[in-house]
Amino acid sequence: ILNVEQSPQSLHVQEGDSTNFTCSFPSSNFYALHWYRWETAKSPEALFVMTLNGDEKKKGRISATLNTKEGYSYLYIKGSQPEDSATYLCASGGGGNNRLAFGKGNQVVVIP
Amino acid sequence: DVKVTQSSRYLVKRTGEKVFLECVQDMDHENMFWYRQDPGLGLRLIYFSYDVKMKEKGDIPEGYSVSREKKERFSLILESASTNQTSMYLCASNTRGQGADTQYFGPGTRLTVL
Repeated sequence: ILNVEQSPQSLHVQEGDSTNFTCSFPSSNFYALHWYRWETAKSPEALFVMTLNGDEKKKGRISATLNTKEGYSYLYIKGSQPEDSATYLCASGGGGNNRLAFGKGNQVVVIP
Repeated sequence: DVKVTQSSRYLVKRTGEKVFLECVQDMDHENMFWYRQDPGLGLRLIYFSYDVKMKEKGDIPEGYSVSREKKERFSLILESASTNQTSMYLCASNTRGQGADTQYFGPGTRLTVL
């Protein structure tokens, strides 16, 4: 079982502030790194899939970077809004067996 | 619009009951997955299937079985429900890629076993 760690586990952010959090994963046999957003009472929704060292992806005010050599990914939220309140899940793995190992998530609450 | 549906959003069962959780996807995906999510533990893989009638154990298969008779449907079965199976259950699917393919999730079933 791959060990995927996310930190911090939860955070409160003032509306308008920017924030970031970390996902760390085993760098050996790396295949892909996924980020999902999971809002309360909804399905987890894919944000990004990254495979190459140095990858950077952006979707609106949310962006992510990937360092496969040292085994970490950062997720950034710029100018947080209340609708950004969610749990952000990081998952690593894939390859031939398609299995993903998920971290425990970063729970974000944006305070108006 | 891709869609993964689960038969119930909330379910309450008694200890010892046989419980069926159903998942249906309309994207013609080969792979389907069952996870459970518990506070402080993250998503854990119970079983997955990469084709009709094919299944593989995930990380926590004990106490569960699965059935995939049709490509679009993947069922999770609790043969004799126990209180420690109270949890949120999520189904997901994706194409038979090489692991860089997004998994599409259903809305989850919150199961309570009394």
